[in-house]
Amino acid sequence: QVQMQESGPAVVKPSQTLSLTCAVSGDSVSRGGYYWSWIRQRPGRGLEWIGCVYYTGASYYSPSLESRLAISLDTSEDHFSLRLTSVTAADTAVYYCARGAFGEFAHDSWGQGVLVAVSS
Amino acid sequence: QSALTQPASVSGSPGQSITVSCTGTSSDVGSYTLVSWYQQSPGKAPKLLIYEVNKRPSGVSHRFSGSQSGSTASLTISGLQPEDEADYYCCSLAGGSTFVFGTGTKVTVL
Repeated sequence: QVQMQESGPAVVKPSQTLSLTCAVSGDSVSRGGYYWSWIRQRPGRGLEWIGCVYYTGASYYSPSLESRLAISLDTSEDHFSLRLTSVTAADTAVYYCARGAFGEFAHDSWGQGVLVAVSS
Repeated sequence: QSALTQPASVSGSPGQSITVSCTGTSSDVGSYTLVSWYQQSPGKAPKLLIYEVNKRPSGVSHRFSGSQSGSTASLTISGLQPEDEADYYCCSLAGGSTFVFGTGTKVTVL
């Protein structure tokens, strides 16, 4: 049973960089056939797919965020990370990490989420 | 890449069946049979209910079913139960290995 846990700062100042890590246990981020996504949910709003990284290391981003976003794998530590630069209050959200399988293209396992507030 | 369109709310009485729609475009829902549905209870992470339009993961009740016609997908909850009260989101592959979620639907059990 795969388990996923997000970690990172609870508060980030405007214009700075938001960095989050998702630790994966019970699976390996380098296992073939899977991709690893970040999804966020602003307060009172719906889910928003941010981007994902394949087990190969290739990454794909939401067009609205790709100029500020980087998602990467760390196969030695079995985790993957998100970096979002130049944050504003609009980036305040609960950030979830999730796993998906190729072929199905559905997110079958999720972390519990971490709330990140952008505030000075 | 715009969010898929869902009704803001749907309600029903216990035992009834309800349907939540999810409308996209020919660039996302209409291009694939890869719509998934998620249930989210307050303060919790989403849970996968349906994948590839109409497949249920192990452990998901048979009361949940999915379908698709063109650029519109649907989630049907049969025999509505109080514990089904939650937010529901659709999601589709949107080309270029990207995804798009729906706007979300609050299901209320009357």
